[in-house]
This record gives sequence, structure tokens and C-alpha cells, in this order.
Amino acid sequence: DQQVKQNSPSLSVQEGRISILNCDYTNSMFDYFLWYKKYPAEGPTFLISISSIKDKNEDGRFTVFLNKSAKHLSLHIVPSQPGDSAVYFCAASRGAGNNRKLIWGLGTSLAVNP
Amino acid sequence: EPEVTQTPSHQVTQMGQEVILRCVPISNHLYFYWYRQILGQKVEFLVSFYNNEISEKSEIFDDQFSVERPDGSNFTLKIRSTKLEDSAMYFCASSRNTEAFFGQGTRLTVV
Repeated sequence: DQQVKQNSPSLSVQEGRISILNCDYTNSMFDYFLWYKKYPAEGPTFLISISSIKDKNEDGRFTVFLNKSAKHLSLHIVPSQPGDSAVYFCAASRGAGNNRKLIWGLGTSLAVNP
Repeated sequence: EPEVTQTPSHQVTQMGQEVILRCVPISNHLYFYWYRQILGQKVEFLVSFYNNEISEKSEIFDDQFSVERPDGSNFTLKIRSTKLEDSAMYFCASSRNTEAFFGQGTRLTVV
């Protein structure tokens, strides 16, 4: 049951260029989307989120875009840095309140080359 | 910066044994979660806990699993009789609003 899909298992970009990570979802009830970054042997680290009432959220080098009609979101990292090399997970949740169960994608492994 | 801490970082146990995975959530958080990730697979939700009771659990979280917040700071996951397929990274998380913050994980290996 792949409610959240990250179709690219890996991505390689040059330092300084833009990294674009994509995520698709199938459940139209999802109303909150998050991106997490994960280094080996560490837990996921929250990066950025977006509510379904918005189509863009920006935080420094990271921007998340949401296209509800296409059920698609993307994470843009610009400029990319070697320290950004990690696995990026897209996650989605639904429902009212703060007690939110996250549904995860499989992740995309980003390599930023110096 | 406050963080979620988990112990142990790695646990090896024999099949059929009980294990307890421990977590100390961020102190002013109200919602607590356990997730797991089997090698090469997705991160999967196990259970959420709020106000001293389970608020939601997945189909993975069967009678072999239980959670407890015994003393107001620790949050534990117990697996009563481990199976080989319980081998995974187990992540504890806590949240106050919508973003959940995760611990480093416990790698459970059942042999």
C-alpha cells in the first residue's frame, strides 16, 4: 500500500547546483507533509513541512512545493552542499490535532559531489 | 538543543526472548511514537501514545507489543516474545505540535 511514493531511489548533483527531490501521494485526505533527512546510523531529522492550505514553504536553502491537484510535492535545495548528502524521506499525515501518524516514502539518497 | 534519546543503540536477543527498548522524549512534548524500519524497507508506524494511553496503533502492533510511560520521562516499547522478523531499527519520536522529532534509533537483531 504505497500511499507515499518517492520514485527516485537516488540522485546525484554537483555542489552549488539545485537538488530537486520528488514525492507523490495517493491519499487525498493527507493534509500535512514533511521532509526528513537521515544520515547513516542516525534517526530522521525534521527538515521542513507544508500544510495542504499552502503551495510553498521556504526555509533558507530549502523550499517545499505542493501541487495538490497532482498530489505531488517536491523539495528544492539550492545551492546544494556536500553536507546535504543523506537519505531524504517524504512523509504525510492527516487528521485534526497534533497527534499525527506519519506515512513514509521509501526515501531518496542524495549525493552532492564537490 | 533538546533531543530524543534512545537506549540501547544496539540490542541482540534470542528468538522468543523479551526485549524492552527505552526512550526519553523531549520533556515538554505530549505525543509519543514508535516507528520501525526493517532493512531496505519503509519506515513504518507502530503506535502513538498520548495522555497515558495508546491513541493509535498499526496492524504490526499486535499483542506481542506493548508501550508504557512508567515514570513521566521514559517511554518504553516491549516486545514479549521476539521473532526473527522483528529485527529492525526502532525509532522513538515525540512531538508537541505537528513535527515529530526522532531519536537515533535502536537496532534490534533477533537471532
